[in-house]
Amino acid sequence: DAGVIQSPRHEVTEMGQEVTLRCKPISGHDYLFWYRQTMMRGLELLIYFNNNVPIDDSGMPEDRFSAKMPNASFSTLKIQPSEPRDSAVYFCASTLDLLRDRVHEQFFGPGTRLTVL
Amino acid sequence: GQNIDQPTEMTATEGAIVQINCTYQTSGFNGLFWYQQHAGEAPTFLSYNVLDGLEEKGRFSSFLSRSKGYSYLLLKELQMKDSASYLCAVRAENYGQNFVFGPGTRLSVLP
Repeated sequence: DAGVIQSPRHEVTEMGQEVTLRCKPISGHDYLFWYRQTMMRGLELLIYFNNNVPIDDSGMPEDRFSAKMPNASFSTLKIQPSEPRDSAVYFCASTLDLLRDRVHEQFFGPGTRLTVL
Repeated sequence: GQNIDQPTEMTATEGAIVQINCTYQTSGFNGLFWYQQHAGEAPTFLSYNVLDGLEEKGRFSSFLSRSKGYSYLLLKELQMKDSASYLCAVRAENYGQNFVFGPGTRLSVLP
């Protein structure tokens, strides 16, 4: 398997523009997580899905952020409108069923480095 | 992360041993994970502890004491490539069974 795939790897945009980040989890994984990482706040969970259904979005900072998972192999994180404080690295991660897999290790994608000017 | 503490930075010499500590406060504890993250890269899984004691995996070992809310990652025979950030993550009921990551410890290995 190619691992978790994210696109784009880098995104530079201007304040007010819409940004869409994409993620393809590892095939067969039931859980998908979106994280944001900054120097100031570290690695923060934004939202996670189980079998394509959003389970906990309490980490989503504002209504400007939304996430969807239309099928088991694709998820998007959208920011509209974007602001400079949204600049961060956004990671997607996936894992097997938390009940079936004893260790339930999370596998991370390479991340998308977002810069909002 | 919430109630998870790690030292911000550590420095050690190539070939030495270093211990990175992690303390946490939680209820309904359900596992502690250590991840390694090189600069500009994604975190990668190192170890998992759910029961008290030491888990050894090559040069890396991880220890857990649930009663003390304490874990450490032990790195032996340090190599230059071990220079990275080390993230402690806790899974617990009061986190909604999510993973909550600590702030990370940046380790620099010097020749």
